[in-house]
Amino acid sequence: SQTIHQWPATLVQPVGSPLSLECTVEGTSNPNLYWYRQAAGRGLQLLFYSVGIGQISSEVPQNLSASRPQDRQFILSSKKLLLSDSGFYLCAWTQMNTEAFFGQGTRLTVV
Amino acid sequence: RKEVEQDPGPFNVPEGATVAFNCTYSNSASQSFFWYRQDCRKEPKLLMSVYSSGNEDGRFTAQLNRASQYISLLIRDSKLSDSATYLCVFLDSNYQLIWGAGTKLIIKP
Repeated sequence: SQTIHQWPATLVQPVGSPLSLECTVEGTSNPNLYWYRQAAGRGLQLLFYSVGIGQISSEVPQNLSASRPQDRQFILSSKKLLLSDSGFYLCAWTQMNTEAFFGQGTRLTVV
Repeated sequence: RKEVEQDPGPFNVPEGATVAFNCTYSNSASQSFFWYRQDCRKEPKLLMSVYSSGNEDGRFTAQLNRASQYISLLIRDSKLSDSATYLCVFLDSNYQLIWGAGTKLIIKP
């Protein structure tokens, strides 16, 4: 069966520090991968999605970047965090026309 | 018009009551539809897919109305544990996920 792992679950980082969140999927190949951010009480904001290795589409201009070095690995990064980067970050995967499955999420607090 | 619209609520409903939410979408080429449930500070989890003919899973019924471009979720005999935010999502013709912002449901004893 397919599983998705996302870590860490919580993170407190100072302003200006780098960020690296990792997401891996098991039990499937060539998934579509997504990074979302969710502010408290709000909906999901799509940050990046990827349909294959090295293929990244960015939905919003911001302080973040994403990479897909392997088929089932998706990484969200920042060189210098801002206070406004705080939020709940979710990784998800889908196949072509199926439902999405989410990782447990990372709650990031930038202080 | 937003691609997906949901009433944010909250819906305050007594335990045992029936509650229904709608979710309207603007893209008539939408392919697949789903309802997700999200508990506070947790990731969204699939509740059910929405089929053209409508589908039922226990106390939950989902329906699709393509003519009026909306999907609905009906919860019968609501339980305290049904309290959550319910998100609708559809896949567009490019297989992109389009999410609603969610409807918050609070079941009261």
